[in-house]
Amino acid sequence: AIQLTQSPSSLSASVGDRVTITCRASQGISSALAWYQQKPGKAPNLLIYDGTSLQSGVPPRFSGSGSGTDFALTVSSLQPEDFATYYCQQFNSYPRTFGQGTKVEIK
Amino acid sequence: QITLKESGPTLVKPTQTLTLTCTFSGFSLTTTGVGVAWIRQPPGKALEWLALIYWDDDKHYSPSLKSRLTITKDTSKNQVVLTMTNMDPVDTATYYCAHESDYGSGSWPFDYWGQGTLVTVSS
Repeated sequence: AIQLTQSPSSLSASVGDRVTITCRASQGISSALAWYQQKPGKAPNLLIYDGTSLQSGVPPRFSGSGSGTDFALTVSSLQPEDFATYYCQQFNSYPRTFGQGTKVEIK
Repeated sequence: QITLKESGPTLVKPTQTLTLTCTFSGFSLTTTGVGVAWIRQPPGKALEWLALIYWDDDKHYSPSLKSRLTITKDTSKNQVVLTMTNMDPVDTATYYCAHESDYGSGSWPFDYWGQGTLVTVSS
């Protein structure tokens, strides 16, 4: 199974900050990676697919980059509603796998 | 509008079999390129993919849980059912079903999710 390692596991940031979360795959997955945002008590919400494609309805302050084994999710200017946990997920092969999550907290 | 909703018991005893149903609307599991997955999340922990079934009845399972899982679909009822045998307290989690579809060029994200259902395993 492909392992996804996210870093950091958590971070503290302020409103307006630029934040970047990374996701490293244990083997190459081309661009078959998605990013999700999850708020407490809620289901995950798709933000980015294909490594860089913004899901419809997601604010453009979210962007994805990378391919192969190294990926990143960037929030250009953190908003109060962006404090949440973020997960990467690969759909290159089975079993589908998720990263361990990155919790973004208010500084 | 695509919606999914999980249903099933909130409490099961150790060694029992869990049966969860995902009832969906807004799409058909007879449409090419569509799948429904089950994903779980223990309290305070990360997401874990469990199983997936496609429009053509192709099925995939988590290798670590494969011996305990069965996923089936009932297209006439717009439902996907997951059974998990020999439940243990470590299986306590929120269980989600999610819609996976072909965005083209090998792109298969989970674009719609149910609200999740918390299952507690305890005697």
